[in-house]
Amino acid sequence: EVQLVESGGGLVQPGGSMRLSCAASGFTFSSSAMSWVRQAPGKGLEWVSGVSGSGASTYYADSVKGRFTISRDNSKNTLYLQMNSLRVADTAVYYCAEGFWSLVHWGQGTLVTVSS
Amino acid sequence: QSALTQPASVSGSPGQSITISCTGTSSDVGDYNYVSWYQQHPGKAPKVMIYDVSNRPSGVSNRFSGSKSGNTASLTISGLQAEDEADYYCSSYTSSSTRVFGGGTKLTVL
Repeated sequence: EVQLVESGGGLVQPGGSMRLSCAASGFTFSSSAMSWVRQAPGKGLEWVSGVSGSGASTYYADSVKGRFTISRDNSKNTLYLQMNSLRVADTAVYYCAEGFWSLVHWGQGTLVTVSS
Repeated sequence: QSALTQPASVSGSPGQSITISCTGTSSDVGDYNYVSWYQQHPGKAPKVMIYDVSNRPSGVSNRFSGSKSGNTASLTISGLQAEDEADYYCSSYTSSSTRVFGGGTKLTVL
């Protein structure tokens, strides 16, 4: 059974940093592209970032480019999202998902709140 | 990258069929067959219902079907059931090597 478990969310002040993790199991992690998708409270889904299976190729939404960095450690079956220069508008539930062309499996999400 | 356009809400009675549209541009929906549809119940994670325009993952009911014409993709749900009441989102790959979602459609089963 595929499992994706996000962690690392919480409360951070504007301008601060936070790193999210996503522990994966139940599939060949190194062969799968991965994505981060977020959902602000009461709002729709927003694709944030994607990474190839090897980690060599990364992709970002304009809203986070230059502030967020996606990475992965295939030896630990773990996906990361380093978030810097956080803004109030980044407040959301952050989901990791298997895939890029389609998002096949999703984690349950971790809430990031950016507030002073 | 602008969000894809979906109706804010649709409704139907049990047993009826409904269709949700998803309109993009020639830089996303119109140029790639990487359109997918996601169902989200309140407080839950999204679930893929259709991928690559019209493919259904194993375990998804054949009451769900997808199609595309030009810059517009569509999700059709036939034989509506109470459990289908949820938010639905379309998503497409884009020419910028990113993905974009639609604004979401709330489906109400009357």
